Amino acid sequence: AQKVTQAQTEISVVEKEDVTLDCVYETRDTTYYLFWYKQPPSGELVFLIRRNSFDEQNEISGRYSWNFQKSTSSFNFTITASQVVDSAVYFCALSRPTGTASKLTFGTGTRLQVTL
Amino acid sequence: DSGVTQTPKHLITATGQRVTLRCSPRSGDLSVYWYQQSLDQGLQFLIQYYNGEERAKGNILERFSAQQFPDLHSELNLSSLELGDSALYFCASSEATAGANVLTFGAGSRLTVL
Repeated sequence: AQKVTQAQTEISVVEKEDVTLDCVYETRDTTYYLFWYKQPPSGELVFLIRRNSFDEQNEISGRYSWNFQKSTSSFNFTITASQVVDSAVYFCALSRPTGTASKLTFGTGTRLQVTL
Repeated sequence: DSGVTQTPKHLITATGQRVTLRCSPRSGDLSVYWYQQSLDQGLQFLIQYYNGEERAKGNILERFSAQQFPDLHSELNLSSLELGDSALYFCASSEATAGANVLTFGAGSRLTVL
């Protein structure tokens, strides 16, 4: 069975601080995909990044960066110089590569509160 | 705007009633997924359709059913509603069915059962 653990329930930081959101996953598949989604206070789920299990390169997109380490089954997300607009719930998710069906297994989410 | 349209945005109803949630996928997407988000269960996958056919089933109760129509829109029917069914119901769509597909989510339908 697949499982995603986001141990940090809530994190509070002051604007301009760096913050890392942890994600640990469990799967028996050798090929799989990892995702991060953001859920701002307005409620919608917004896609941030997808990473396949064969690509362990870290990725940077503006103030966002992701560290994928297969050896520790982790896919952590770092926000550099956080801003108030980053306040949201962030979900890590895992999917299988099956061709006939795909569904995301989500973690429980980490609520990030960025204050001035 | 994600391109996935869900109606209604909010719905308040009583226990024992039946409701229908509607979803129009993003243009070009053939797969539709339904998820339930509640405080105690988190984000739970309910069911997936691809081009009108059911492709995967998750933690969907027998009181719930869904279908995808020829025009690719989907409906989620919830019957004999209980207080515990109060949740945010998301529809998502993707081009195909593979695990690599990025799911685009709608804004959700918030159901309150009183």
